[in-house]
Amino acid sequence: SQQGEEDPQALSIQEGENATMNCSYKTSINNLQWYRQNSGRGLVHLILIRSNEREKHSGRLRVTLDTSKKSSSLLITASRAADTASYFCATDPVFGNEKLTFGTGTRLTIIP
Amino acid sequence: GAVVSQHPSWVICKSGTSVKIECRSLDFQATTMFWYRQFPKQSLMLMATSNEGSKATYEQGVEKDKFLINHASLTLSTLTVTSAHPEDSSFYICSASDLKTYQETQYFGPGTRLLVL
Repeated sequence: SQQGEEDPQALSIQEGENATMNCSYKTSINNLQWYRQNSGRGLVHLILIRSNEREKHSGRLRVTLDTSKKSSSLLITASRAADTASYFCATDPVFGNEKLTFGTGTRLTIIP
Repeated sequence: GAVVSQHPSWVICKSGTSVKIECRSLDFQATTMFWYRQFPKQSLMLMATSNEGSKATYEQGVEKDKFLINHASLTLSTLTVTSAHPEDSSFYICSASDLKTYQETQYFGPGTRLLVL
C-alpha cells in the first residue's frame, strides 16, 4: 500500500509556539488518525477524525480534514518540551479491511 | 484504556537463530492484531494482519515462511523471525483492535527492537 506524505519532515519551534503538521493521502478513507511516537517507543493514539468530519479538537490538539484535497493537518497549540516526538498520520482506507496506512512522519522538536 | 504489551522489549541474537516476539492485549480482546516493521527514522510498514484462529494475511513482499505469525487466542499473537539475518534488524511493533468497540482505533504495543549480529 502506498504511504501518505507528511510535511514538513522535520520541524523545530520554540516552546510556547504553535506547531502545524500536514498530511496528504491518495485513496478514499473511512477515517484519518494521528499518532505520536517518542524516540524508540511505541505509538500513542492522539485523535481520530472521520471522513464526514471537518475539524476536531482534543485539548491542545486541533485536527482538520479536507477530503476533497485528501489532506489533513494537526495543530498543537502552546507547545511544550514534552511534545517533542515524531507525529504520524494514518488513514483507514474504505476498502482496506481495517489496515492503516501510515504517513512518512514529522519529527517535531520543541526548543525550551 | 486499552493496553498492549510486547515481549521482549529488545533482543540481540546471532545470525541464523529464530526469535519469537509476543504481543498481548492486556485488558481487552482483540480478534485482529497487526504487525509492523519500522526502520530508523522511517515510518511503519505493515507486515501482516493476524486473525485469531485463522492464517495471517501477509503484505506484498513479506515472506510468510520467514515471519511466522500465530494468533492462538483473543489476547495473544506471536511473530517468529526464523533464521534471522542482520538485515532483519529492525523495530517491530504490534497493534490490536478492541473486539467490543467499533474497530476504528488500533492500540499499539511499545515495540521490540531486534538486533541480529
